[in-house]
Amino acid sequence: ETGVTQTPRHLVMGMTNKKSLKCEQHLGHNAMYWYKQSAKKPLELMFVYNFKEQTENNSVPSRFSPECPNSSHLFLHLHTLQPEDSALYLCASSQKEGALREKLFFGSGTQLSVL
Amino acid sequence: GQNIDQPTEMTATEGAIVQINCTYQTSGFNGLFWYQQHAGEAPTFLSYNVLDGLEEKGRFSSFLSRSKGYSYLLLKELQMKDSASYLCAVGHTGRRALTFGSGTRLQVQP
Repeated sequence: ETGVTQTPRHLVMGMTNKKSLKCEQHLGHNAMYWYKQSAKKPLELMFVYNFKEQTENNSVPSRFSPECPNSSHLFLHLHTLQPEDSALYLCASSQKEGALREKLFFGSGTQLSVL
Repeated sequence: GQNIDQPTEMTATEGAIVQINCTYQTSGFNGLFWYQQHAGEAPTFLSYNVLDGLEEKGRFSSFLSRSKGYSYLLLKELQMKDSASYLCAVGHTGRRALTFGSGTRLQVQP
């Protein structure tokens, strides 16, 4: 148990569907992240939020829409996805934003399949 | 830009020692992390190096050479439960999050 909970664990959706991924952290952290993990590829950073404000969008297509209502919750809204978007989507949190000695705590991810 | 290389797969025997290498090329280097990820589970933190040398933590040790852009994770007295992917990740000054390698999938055999 890492203190970061993601739901759902598995999701199958059609290309015309709209769905949302949810992440919640119980660690009192101020920064939250979305990463995409495809088979045999590095974890790709998608978005960074610090104190609810988006501080990085790593050139992610607009069919992925993040939302961070507070420091404990992070959503990823999905619409009109493509089959190549099928991947494991990982949420993470850290005490502070940034890659300077900040240990990331990951959720177990949502395994997404787009048909 | 950043580039991180690590072997895709490794196999080792229970009770043995295995070394997983990671090389990186980056500007503004500010620390290297190792994470362990079992299939279907969250990556979990193993170690952090920012200065040259060896950091030991139980059966796991991590080494860093900043001048060579090189790190390794050393696993001793391997157990079956050590079968997992091991992710090397680098922090950079000015970037808001870690950059990860593709991971090394370790299979421990009896």
